[in-house]
Amino acid sequence: EPEVTQTPSHQVTQMGQEVILRCVPISNHLYFYWYRQILGQKVEFLVSFYNNEISEKSEIFDDQFSVERPDGSNFTLKIRSTKLEDSAMYFCASRGAGTRNQPQHFGDGTRLSIL
Amino acid sequence: GNSVTQMEGPVTLSEEAFLTINCTYTATGYPSLFWYVQYPGEGLQLLLKATKADDKGSNKGFEATYRKETTSFHLEKGSVQVSDSAVYFCALGGLGGSYIPTFGRGTSLIVHP
Repeated sequence: EPEVTQTPSHQVTQMGQEVILRCVPISNHLYFYWYRQILGQKVEFLVSFYNNEISEKSEIFDDQFSVERPDGSNFTLKIRSTKLEDSAMYFCASRGAGTRNQPQHFGDGTRLSIL
Repeated sequence: GNSVTQMEGPVTLSEEAFLTINCTYTATGYPSLFWYVQYPGEGLQLLLKATKADDKGSNKGFEATYRKETTSFHLEKGSVQVSDSAVYFCALGGLGGSYIPTFGRGTSLIVHP
């Protein structure tokens, strides 16, 4: 079964540095998402992306964050000038065309640790 | 706004015990409801869903019934296995044209042999 893949599985970065988290969605999917999960807390929506532009974003997704689909396969989340509170698991998800209740398929996540 | 409330964990059971994980929601409108499961070190996987009142979603021995009158979607399994140990997330499907689900905090299930 096709799956969403994320790299790296664990990223350790100094506070203030930039990080790029990478995702390869399922190949025929059209909608892409990033979520984060701070340890012990709920999964929080960050941003959705469709047709090469952001379609929705949460309050968390401020100017520090950006997303890009640089080619036909990758979907990246960039965090500029990281802060300690950015430490979390970051999940990428993708969804095919269809009704808005189609389930999203999630990757295994990238654990981001800010020192 | 929309929200999902799940019972606090961890839930600790012996193998073959009956499982219930409570989930209630608040929403303006008629959302779809989902249960996702997260095994250790992995991402979220859709376990089951229900799209309208009185629907029952089922998968891998798990069931949940969409109860509009009590705004609930409790997850049940008659006989749990050690391999069911995971974190379970209740989620409310996108409303008002939004495709974005709202997740609960998750409930950790630990099953002992």
